Amino acid sequence: GEDVEQSLFLSVREGDSSVINCTYTDSSSTYLYWYKQEPGAGLQLLTYIFSNMDMKQDQRLTVLLNKKDKHLSLRIADTQTGDSAIYFCAEIRFSGGYNKLIFGAGTRLAVHP
Amino acid sequence: DVKVTQSSRYLVKRTGEKVFLECVQDMDHENMFWYRQDPGLGLRLIYFSYDVKMKEKGDIPEGYSVSREKKERFSLILESASTNQTSMYLCASSQFGAISGNTIYFGEGSWLTVV
Repeated sequence: GEDVEQSLFLSVREGDSSVINCTYTDSSSTYLYWYKQEPGAGLQLLTYIFSNMDMKQDQRLTVLLNKKDKHLSLRIADTQTGDSAIYFCAEIRFSGGYNKLIFGAGTRLAVHP
Repeated sequence: DVKVTQSSRYLVKRTGEKVFLECVQDMDHENMFWYRQDPGLGLRLIYFSYDVKMKEKGDIPEGYSVSREKKERFSLILESASTNQTSMYLCASSQFGAISGNTIYFGEGSWLTVV
């Protein structure tokens, strides 16, 4: 399909790991991104991975990339209440003569005690 | 720090009104964008601009226009607001060149309700 796809909701217990999954479409995307949106705010870049990498770790965040299946995941270790937010994956797609950032629908992560 | 400022955070407008959403960035960025965010649909690109007085249609330009008279300011215009334009609008900016997601900065969003 043409869309970047994510599941819409994820609920986890505080202290557990969260895994947010995404499938993308453009096999030529050089970078893939995860953005976080807290309530009432804009988007902040959380992390990104270059397409020649399989994994990137940054403190509690681990990004896994499976290029063959066009699958991207974000793992948050020791999930905290402050991690409650909407998480968007995004890819760069060349369309209409320009590079454009294409977003998934966003996964709302709810962290409960 | 880069700052992208959307002057109106919350607006309520009547059907048929003309609506202006203003965005200002302070980092001398060439590229500016307007996205619309709806639940379950993510962010969809309405218009973007890569230079003063230049504009390009995004994926959902119908019912919208834009203005970029100065480099730092990018305005989104709803000529005749309709209820299906009730949404959150996000402005973003980035440096010139191939757009990469790690150089794009977002404003905090403008919530528009059309009644």
